[in-house]
Amino acid sequence: DAGITQSPRHKVTETGTPVTLRCHQTENHRYMYWYRQDPGHGLRLIHYSYGVKDTDKGEVSDGYSVSRSKTEDFLLTLESATSSQTSVYFCAISEVIPTYEQYFGPGTRLTVT
Amino acid sequence: ELKVEQNPLFLSMQEEKNYTIYCNYSTTSDRLYWYRQDPGKSLESLFVLLSNGAVKQEGRLMASLDTKARLSTLHITAAVHDLSATYFCAVDRGGSEKLVFGKGTKLTVNP
Repeated sequence: DAGITQSPRHKVTETGTPVTLRCHQTENHRYMYWYRQDPGHGLRLIHYSYGVKDTDKGEVSDGYSVSRSKTEDFLLTLESATSSQTSVYFCAISEVIPTYEQYFGPGTRLTVT
Repeated sequence: ELKVEQNPLFLSMQEEKNYTIYCNYSTTSDRLYWYRQDPGKSLESLFVLLSNGAVKQEGRLMASLDTKARLSTLHITAAVHDLSATYFCAVDRGGSEKLVFGKGTKLTVNP
């Protein structure tokens, strides 16, 4: 299994509070991704990174920011959590060689009350 | 904009029967991925299809890719209960490191 951990694994927070989720990898892969998974929507890309300090937006980036100061860590921040951000968040990693295949972390279940 | 559609979204099968899940996508792509997700778990990579005509098989699952038709199929042979899960296909955005996922097919195999 790819060495990917996410923390916390579960979190309950209140509307309006900032929240940071962490993804940590031990594979030295270049690319890292944050997705959210909601019933009926599959997985949707929030942000991704193609190197240290290099990030770009995905299809549902509003209300989220990311940072990557080290190859192994990719942080997702909800600047002011809303109930619509209640979801399961997955981190993934990939590398160009051989196939860009993405490997997923265990997920973080976030509930915003 | 790349769109990925899976059919069916829900599939209830009997053990020992065969069935196919379809994944259609809207723009040119040379790479397609299939993942499996068990309830409450993460996604597990099943197959990576990298070229037109690619076929991969693992146990009772076989995946194929037709890039000209923009179609991939996941064929299930003689289904068993352990195959019950949600299956996702994902397509790259034309040479990009980003993927677009289908909404998933929830497969239930009944005794």
